[in-house]
Order: sequence, then C-alpha cells, then structure tokens
Amino acid sequence: AQSVTQLDSQVPVFEEAPVELRCNYSSSVSVYLFWYVQYPNQGLQLLLKYLSGSTLVKGINGFEAEFNKSQTSFHLRKPSVHISDTAEYFCAATTGGGNKLTFGTGTQLKVEL
Amino acid sequence: DTGVSQNPRHKITKRGQNVTFRCDPISEHNRLYWYRQTLGQGPEFLTYFQNEAQLEKSRLLSDRFSAERPKGSFSTLEIQRTEQGDSAMYLCASSSQRLANTGELFFGEGSRLTVL
Repeated sequence: AQSVTQLDSQVPVFEEAPVELRCNYSSSVSVYLFWYVQYPNQGLQLLLKYLSGSTLVKGINGFEAEFNKSQTSFHLRKPSVHISDTAEYFCAATTGGGNKLTFGTGTQLKVEL
Repeated sequence: DTGVSQNPRHKITKRGQNVTFRCDPISEHNRLYWYRQTLGQGPEFLTYFQNEAQLEKSRLLSDRFSAERPKGSFSTLEIQRTEQGDSAMYLCASSSQRLANTGELFFGEGSRLTVL
C-alpha cells in the first residue's frame, strides 16, 4: 500500500512570487503520481501527472512538478503565482491497475495581493 | 460540456435517517468511483465500478453503505441509519478504463452530507 504526505496544510504567498507545495510518498512498488487542484465550489481537476520518463512534468496553468525517486518526493512549483491560483492542492498516488488513488491531506494555497 | 453531475449538492438529515446520492458520470466512461472527503482530509476511496460490476470496496464502506450502478450508467450511494460521523463530502468520479489505469479521474462537485 502507498501513502502520501503533504506536510504544509496552508501556504500563503504574495502574487507574482514563486511557490512550492511539498509532497512525499511511500510505496514498496512503482507509483504514478499526480497533483489535483480544487477551486472553491468546484470538483477536483487534474493539474499534472508523472507516469514514467522525464522526471520534470509540466501541467496546466504554468505549474510543474519534479519526481525525485531518491527523496520519494513530487513537489509542485510555479515560478509566479496569480490570485486565481488560490485553491486547495492535493497530491495523489496510485500503483496503477485503475482502481484507486491515495490522496494527501491537501495544501491550501492562498495568494495575496 | 457535460461533466460528472452529482445530486443533491447538499443534504441535511437527522441521525438515523437514510440518504441517497446520485452520480451521473461522463457518458462514455465505464469506470465510476466514490470517494469521501472529511474536513481537513484528502479524498478517501470508498468503492468503484467498471460498467455495472462493483470491483472493489474499501473497509470504510460499512454495511450501512451500499452503492449500485444497475445499468452501467448512473450510480447511487445509499447510507442507512446515518450517524454524525457520516457527515462529509461524497465525491463521485468517472473515467475511461485507459485513463483510469493511469490514475486520471474526472470528479464531480460533490454531495455534502450533514447529519444532525
């Protein structure tokens, strides 16, 4: 079984500043990793995913994440945030097979002027 | 664009009552998932269907919970004899088998249950 840890429950940041949201995972087998975003009053939406290959993956809205196997991390980054990025961000993992995703507890990103 | 639709969006009920939530997936998706999300937590897997077959159930899904997808299209999640601990957001997601095998799910907006 895998687990996903998001240590930061809230991350406040000023507009146009860079941001990093941290995610660590544990699994005894290879995993696929994801970041989902939940805007207020909306459903979860896939931001980006790592399946294999290049460890740097790019997603929508200028976000990117880097898979680091040795550190079992999959941190999400954006070089310059916008007010509209205010949302809750969930890191998730699966070992494939199409059954279930294991989510972290989420990080609330609050972008301030 | 018809995404995943969930009804009702909000439900307030008294302890001991039964409630039912409905999920209409994206029409061409044969996989359907139910998750539960409580305050301060990420979504937790409850169960999933491939077409009408329920293929996996979490231990979180006690015998008071039942989910069905009778014709492989919409799904219902029923909670009998609700308890205050059942208060949560119930999320439905759908996917095609190909996308689901790589973890890409399409979520509805959720049905929020409050048990008084």
